[in-house]
Amino acid sequence: EFQLLESGGGLVQPGGSRRLSCVASGFSFRSYAMGWVRQAPGKGLEWVAGISGGGDATFYADSLKGRFTISRDNSKSTLHLQINNLRVEDTAVYYCAKDFSIVVQAAIVDHWGQGTLVTVSS
Amino acid sequence: QAVLTQPPSVSAAPGQKVTISCSGSRTNIAVSYVSWYQQFAGSAPKLLVYDTDKRPSGIPGRVSGSKSGTTATLAITGLQTEDEADYYCATWDTGLRAVVFGGGTKVTVL
Repeated sequence: EFQLLESGGGLVQPGGSRRLSCVASGFSFRSYAMGWVRQAPGKGLEWVAGISGGGDATFYADSLKGRFTISRDNSKSTLHLQINNLRVEDTAVYYCAKDFSIVVQAAIVDHWGQGTLVTVSS
Repeated sequence: QAVLTQPPSVSAAPGQKVTISCSGSRTNIAVSYVSWYQQFAGSAPKLLVYDTDKRPSGIPGRVSGSKSGTTATLAITGLQTEDEADYYCATWDTGLRAVVFGGGTKVTVL
């Protein structure tokens, strides 16, 4: 059974950092691209970043480049998102997303985690 | 401001048909496959359509996707009360080299 379990959310002050993690199970993790999608309270979905199955290709939403770093550890079936210099507008539920394909460009999320809430506030 | 443009809301009576448009450009919808997602309040999204017009197993045949030029469309026929949700389109943008989502459309069953 597919499972994506996120962790790392919580309350953080502006300017702080946070590392989100997503542990996957029930499928061959290294065979699929993975990504993060966020949703601010009452707003729509916003793609954050994606990484290929082998981890050799990473992509980011243009507006978020520089502060977000996506990575994966295929030996541990774990996906990470490092967020630096957090801003109030980064407050959102961050979903771990499994792609249908090994490449990010397929842009098909066939499984989603339940999300982890990051709240940026002083 | 989302790269893909969707109407904020659409509505129809039970049993009727709704269509949701997703307008993009020559660097995204025109050259890439489109996927569609359904999201209920407080829940994670769910894949409804991929590769523009394919349905994952378990998605009923009354849900369909299509594309013409730079606009993709999701259609739901035989509308049911349980179809009330938010719907999002997404695709790969070759210029931005990123996945882009639409702003979302709320479907209301009258």
